[in-house]
Amino acid sequence: DGGITQSPKYLFRKEGQNVTLSCEQNLNHDAMYWYRQDPGQGLRLIYYSQIVNDFQKGDIAEGYSVSREKKESFPLTVTSAQKNPTAFYLCASSVTGAQNTEAFFGQGTRLTVV
Amino acid sequence: AQSVTQLGSHVSVSEGALVLLRCNYSSSVPPYLFWYVQYPNQGLQLLLKYTTGATLVKGINGFEAEFKKSETSFHLTKPSAHMSDAAEYFCALDSNYQLIWGAGTKLIIKP
Repeated sequence: DGGITQSPKYLFRKEGQNVTLSCEQNLNHDAMYWYRQDPGQGLRLIYYSQIVNDFQKGDIAEGYSVSREKKESFPLTVTSAQKNPTAFYLCASSVTGAQNTEAFFGQGTRLTVV
Repeated sequence: AQSVTQLGSHVSVSEGALVLLRCNYSSSVPPYLFWYVQYPNQGLQLLLKYTTGATLVKGINGFEAEFKKSETSFHLTKPSAHMSDAAEYFCALDSNYQLIWGAGTKLIIKP
């Protein structure tokens, strides 16, 4: 089945450690996105990528890094520089070039700093 | 600047009652508008979208929304709430190929 897979579903990290969240899609979408979700704040864009080997900062990129070496994959690294990383992280993808297309979401990764 | 405002962080209705979730937007260009639903600890799923044309848009699970340019609104409705509708609902506006999100409205269904 086509879709987006995020792993792991739950992740625990010690303070000072970097951690990488996985996002893979088999929808053949060019565009991929990472969002952070906190209660009562909706979704905030961390990074997005419209094409392989290119990505742009979103509204809250500080303390995060990404790569886009393959069309199917868009991993997010939460670095130790991120002051408050505990949150629910959502990956999404969409067709590029059309403004009215649907974004498809993964099931999310809940990161907790312990 | 483009923005989306959802009125009410929580809305509570009785099972069988009308559901009305409010969304207002601000956009300098003709908007593309979306409603998504999120069940607990899940990703988001598209309910419906408005692009151009018919202002009353029908979506999945019996939901519909009406685009009203004069009121800059895109409210989501369902005639009769079901327990399975309990979830969080997000309104979004397409801006330069990125989505601008409302803060979400949690729908609570009372038996």
